[in-house]
Amino acid sequence: AQTVTQSQPEMSVQEAETVTLSCTYDTSESDYYLFWYKQPPSRQMILVIRQEAYKQQNATENRFSVNFQKAAKSFSLKISDSQLGDAAMYFCAYEGGGATNKLIFGTGTLLAVQP
Amino acid sequence: GAVVSQHPSRVICKSGTSVKIECRSLDFQATTMFWYRQFPKQSLMLMATSNEGSKATYEQGVEKDKFLINHASLTLSTLTVTSAHPEDSSFYICSAIWGIYGYTFGSGTRLTVV
Repeated sequence: AQTVTQSQPEMSVQEAETVTLSCTYDTSESDYYLFWYKQPPSRQMILVIRQEAYKQQNATENRFSVNFQKAAKSFSLKISDSQLGDAAMYFCAYEGGGATNKLIFGTGTLLAVQP
Repeated sequence: GAVVSQHPSRVICKSGTSVKIECRSLDFQATTMFWYRQFPKQSLMLMATSNEGSKATYEQGVEKDKFLINHASLTLSTLTVTSAHPEDSSFYICSAIWGIYGYTFGSGTRLTVV
């Protein structure tokens, strides 16, 4: 069974600095998708970034980028120029390439942004 | 973008009663919807996958007779917590697959059973 591990329960970053959140996963599939979701205090899940496993190029979305290491099964999220609004719980998630379309979430990392 | 509307946002019910949570896709058809449960400061745990016109698929350990899921149309899925007990108190979130962009989530329902 696939698993997603986030080893950092909490992280803190100074405003305008850069922070990296870690995520590792375990799968025997070769085709899959990886996601980072943000959950602010409102608890609305917001997609931050998405990566297809078959793409070697790391996905980027403005200040957010990933370091996808397929062989190492690692999928870290880098947030540049951190802003106060980035403070939230961040979840790494895995979706297999089959027909099930189920998202498997990691345990989450609570990010605090210090002014 | 695709919007999933979830209601109610908060509900308090008495122990032993049933409560229904609705999840509607507003501007797209959702063949498949998912229901998650989230405890405070914890991750989202998938409870079941809801497919329009067919029976839901429940994850291991989820009581299908307690958590009734109905997906009667392409825009509406409902989760009914039957004979609710305090241990059912939690945050429930629905989501739907939207095109090639992945998943869109409802805003969640905080259920408190007293």
